[in-house]
Amino acid sequence: KNEVEQSPQNLTAQEGEFITINCSYSVGISALHWLQQHPGGGIVSLFMLSSGKKKHGRLIATINIQEKHSSLHITASHPRDSAVYICAVDKGQGAAGNKLTFGGGTRVLVKP
Amino acid sequence: DVKVTQSSRYLVKRTGEKVFLECVQDMDHENMFWYRQDPGLGLRLIYFSYDVKMKEKGDIPEGYSVSREKKERFSLILESASTNQTSMYLCASSFGLAGLGETQYFGPGTRLLVL
Repeated sequence: KNEVEQSPQNLTAQEGEFITINCSYSVGISALHWLQQHPGGGIVSLFMLSSGKKKHGRLIATINIQEKHSSLHITASHPRDSAVYICAVDKGQGAAGNKLTFGGGTRVLVKP
Repeated sequence: DVKVTQSSRYLVKRTGEKVFLECVQDMDHENMFWYRQDPGLGLRLIYFSYDVKMKEKGDIPEGYSVSREKKERFSLILESASTNQTSMYLCASSFGLAGLGETQYFGPGTRLLVL
């Protein structure tokens, strides 16, 4: 079983709809990351959180440490939000580096 | 702005060739990472480095080696390329705050095709 599971794998929404992507993990973590990957490959870090909630524009990320679960919400979705969204956890192991373990990604398509 | 650059966006090589993928970051980051990304498997860590000349194996190091002679540059080497190494390769870097979660900054990726 993967240590980081995302759902759904694929999501299609109409412009303006509210989108939720879920991430569950089974290990202890020091932080959880949400990443965005547009067609063409480049990955951008959206959020890093270890508790509570963060908001940036129309994006909101929440985490429940006790339940080992995080959600990424997109409010008033727009076609430019079409991308793959990736959840990753930092297990905080050791003094050397911050290695991430990744979920499989959620492919989001927002139709105009 | 942090900038992570990779030497090539697309690369085509023949089986058995030695392949060098280079990554450069301009923010004096301690940590650098090499990942590969494959459909259905997501991103997987090949190697990472937490200091010059220091390296550690990731989840899938077989068939790869790395070199970090200077802080800003991290090279991934395929000693003898094979078709199963056809993939998207992504480099990342982070500041290096041990034990704390921190943002990783990714390069644009190199799409490698081994024929």
